[in-house]
Amino acid sequence: TQLLEQSPQFLSIQEGENLTVYCNSSSVFSSLQWYRQEPGEGPVLLVTVVTGGEVKKLKRLTFQFGDARKDSSLHITAAQPGDTGLYLCAGAYNRGSTLGRLYFGRGTQLTVWP
Amino acid sequence: EAQVTQNPRYLITVTGKKLTVTCSQNMNHEYMSWYRQDPGLGLRQIYYSMNVEVTDKGDVPEGYKVSRKEKRNFPLILESPSPNQTSLYFCASSPLRKTGKMTEAFFGQGTRLTVV
Repeated sequence: TQLLEQSPQFLSIQEGENLTVYCNSSSVFSSLQWYRQEPGEGPVLLVTVVTGGEVKKLKRLTFQFGDARKDSSLHITAAQPGDTGLYLCAGAYNRGSTLGRLYFGRGTQLTVWP
Repeated sequence: EAQVTQNPRYLITVTGKKLTVTCSQNMNHEYMSWYRQDPGLGLRQIYYSMNVEVTDKGDVPEGYKVSRKEKRNFPLILESPSPNQTSLYFCASSPLRKTGKMTEAFFGQGTRLTVV
C-alpha cells in the first residue's frame, strides 16, 4: 500500500511552461519533504513543510502543504531544462513506532525540452 | 565535505554469493537507513537505525541484514542474493533533533546491483 500518491507520474513540457505536481495521502503527516533526484545521483532535499497551509518559495518553485497536512503540491513557474529530474515527496510522522521514518511517493519524472 | 559514501557504485554478482555494500557518513548523524529504488515502485525502505546497536526493519527487509556497530557506518549485507534483489540501492543519514523529530535525509550516490 502506497501511503503517498504522486501525480502525474510523467510530465514532459516545453521550456517556459508552468507545471504543478501533486502529492496526496489519506494520512496526516507531521512534516512533508520534497526531493529532486538526477540520473545517477541520490535524492537531494528541496524543502520541508511542517505547518498546515504553509507555502514556501524557492526561486521559481512554490511548495504548499495542505491545511489538513495530508497533501502537498509543487508548482514550477517558467520551467527550464535544468529543472529536469525525478521529484519525490516524502512524509514523516515523527511519533511512536514510526519515529524517524520517511515514507516516499513513487515520484514524478519531469522532462523540460528546450 | 559532508557526505554519505557508498561502495561499490556498481556491482554484478551471481545468485547465492554473499555480498556487502558499505555506507559511511561523516556528519555524526544518529539516523541511518537503506532504501532500494525500482522503476514504478519508488524508494522503499529496507532497514533503518536510530543509533548504534539499534536497528529495525523497514518495508522490504526480506533477504537483507544490517549492522550498526559504529555511528558512522551502516553496511547492508545480502547473505544469499537472488535476481529479484537486482536494484538501485541508496544509503541515507539524518540528524535527529532532541525531540526525536526527523530532519533532512542526506543520500549517498547509490549502488547499482545486478544479480544474475
